[in-house]
Amino acid sequence: AQSVAQPEDQVNVAEGNPLTVKCTYSVSGNPYLFWYVQYPNRGLQFLLKYITGDNLVKGSYGFEAEFNKSQTSFHLKKPSALVSDSALYFCAVSSGGYNKLIFGAGTRLAVHP
Amino acid sequence: NAGVTQTPKFQVLKTGQSMTLQCAQDMNHEYMSWYRQDPGMGLRLIHYSVGAGITDQGEVPNGYNVSRSTTEDFPLRLLSAAPSQTSVYFCASSYAGGAGQPQHFGDGTRLSIL
Repeated sequence: AQSVAQPEDQVNVAEGNPLTVKCTYSVSGNPYLFWYVQYPNRGLQFLLKYITGDNLVKGSYGFEAEFNKSQTSFHLKKPSALVSDSALYFCAVSSGGYNKLIFGAGTRLAVHP
Repeated sequence: NAGVTQTPKFQVLKTGQSMTLQCAQDMNHEYMSWYRQDPGMGLRLIHYSVGAGITDQGEVPNGYNVSRSTTEDFPLRLLSAAPSQTSVYFCASSYAGGAGQPQHFGDGTRLSIL
């Protein structure tokens, strides 16, 4: 069965410091991996995805993610955090013919001034 | 460009009542889906549709019905509301063509069952 784990409920970072939000996955076959962000009282917004190719994927708002097949991980990163990056971040995986997403539980990112 | 529109934004129901959550998209997306979001559990797929007239069950379908008569609309029906269905419900849409298409989400319907 497919699954996604986000081991940290919350990540705290000082503004200007690099940030990492962790994600590991389990899926049979080739994974399609996504990161979404959710701001309060809003729906999820797509940040980036990995389908195939380069293991470092760049996305919106300066975020990037590194795919590591041997560690089955897809960690979200940003070189310099902003207070406005504070939100709830979801990692998701899909495989097979239809676009059915399996989400992790989410990680709340708090960036402090 | 409205994207994915969900109505209502908030609703309170009594146990046993029925209601329909509306979802409409204006992007001509073939694929539409409904998720529920509960604290500490991420989003879980309820039902999905790959085109008009075609629907299928997701991970947590019990207590919910869907239909897809047009490309634009994908309503979710609660037949007899239960407190366990208190949640935030999100509708999403995307182009078809495999599992790599980003999904576009509505802003959600916050539903409380008393």
